[in-house]
Amino acid sequence: DGGITQSPKYLFRKEGQNVTLSCEQNLNHDAMYWYRQDPGQGLRLIYYSQIVNDFQKGDIAEGYSVSREKKESFPLTVTSAQKNPTAFYLCASQMPGGPETQYFGPGTRLLVL
Amino acid sequence: RKEVEQDPGPFNVPEGATVAFNCTYSNSASQSFFWYRQDCRKEPKLLMSVYSSGNEDGRFTAQLNRASQYISLLIRDSKLSDSATYLCVVTPGGGSYIPTFGRGTSLIVHP
Repeated sequence: DGGITQSPKYLFRKEGQNVTLSCEQNLNHDAMYWYRQDPGQGLRLIYYSQIVNDFQKGDIAEGYSVSREKKESFPLTVTSAQKNPTAFYLCASQMPGGPETQYFGPGTRLLVL
Repeated sequence: RKEVEQDPGPFNVPEGATVAFNCTYSNSASQSFFWYRQDCRKEPKLLMSVYSSGNEDGRFTAQLNRASQYISLLIRDSKLSDSATYLCVVTPGGGSYIPTFGRGTSLIVHP
């Protein structure tokens, strides 16, 4: 079955620690996105990548980093510089040029210890 | 002004009721419009696209009003399982496919 997977489902971070969230897709989509969702809030764009080896900052990129070495994979690292990382992180993929529908992974819930 | 605005609700309706949500957008050049459904602590899933001519899928009807820059979602004969948050999504067009999400409208359908 084609789809997007994210792991882990829950992640705990200690003060000063970097953590990496995994996102993998087998939909053969070129574009991939990372969003953050806080309770009662909409989705805010962290980073996006429209092609392998290229990525762009979204609206709230500070304290985060990404890589796109493979079409299938778009991992997100939450660095110690992100002072308020507790949130629900969603990865999505999309085929540019249409249809413009985004497909989401099940999300990772990050909590700070 | 926020790019995509929705009434957060919650809309609290009995089973069988008809309920409608609106979503306004600020960019008049916006090209594509969608409604997504998000269940509690889950990922958003596409409910339906919104076309200029309107779009109907069973109990759900979506409409676009470009002149007034809003889209709407009508749910007829509400079911308990319709309880969720409904997200309005707008894509700017002009070569950009990066969508903007509204905060969502919460719907609670009660027996």
